[in-house]
Amino acid sequence: DADVTQTPRNRITKTGKRIMLECSQTKGHDRMYWYRQDPGLGLQLIYYSFDVKDINKGEISDGYSVSRQAQAKFSLSLESAIPNQTALYFCATSDSQGWQETQYFGPGTRLLVL
Amino acid sequence: DQQVKQNSPSLSVQEGRISILNCDYTNSMFDYFLWYKKYPAEGPTFLISISSIKDKNEDGRFTVFLNKSAKHLSLHIVPSQPGDSAVYFCAASAAGNQFYFGTGTSLTVIP
Repeated sequence: DADVTQTPRNRITKTGKRIMLECSQTKGHDRMYWYRQDPGLGLQLIYYSFDVKDINKGEISDGYSVSRQAQAKFSLSLESAIPNQTALYFCATSDSQGWQETQYFGPGTRLLVL
Repeated sequence: DQQVKQNSPSLSVQEGRISILNCDYTNSMFDYFLWYKKYPAEGPTFLISISSIKDKNEDGRFTVFLNKSAKHLSLHIVPSQPGDSAVYFCAASAAGNQFYFGTGTSLTVIP
């Protein structure tokens, strides 16, 4: 079984709709992250959480919100989806081994906003 | 502003030869660097890392070189194999803070 899972894997939605992307991990890691990948732009950090009570904005948090329901679960919401949020979204986890951490990624969710 | 740059979107190499992927960064505070490999329809997977106190780290066929004065990082794959065909991302962080990723280089190893 995969250590980091994301649901759904693919989603098509319409402008203005609310959508939630979910991430679960079985690695027991404290830290969780949401990234988006756009063609030619690499991975950009949306939000991150270092533990259940800790939520931090990343580079591109506008238009997104998150919820850390438990150590193992971190959800990303688009309150009112817009077409430029069409992208590939990745969840990642890491354990806090000082500053030399390694992030482990989920398989990604491909989102299309019409 | 892109703090980590991979200026070559793609690279093709013959099987058995060396693949060299390059990465440049602008933030002199970065002290930890990683390479990730990504296959289609999968998330990135960790490949190799290096801290700023070293200039080389080797793991099997993969070696990462760090030139701090030039703010340049490279990944060498020797010998290259068809299974190495993937997109490679470099990433950097400073003092355990967030990672900044490059835009990726798509490597094709030709059999």
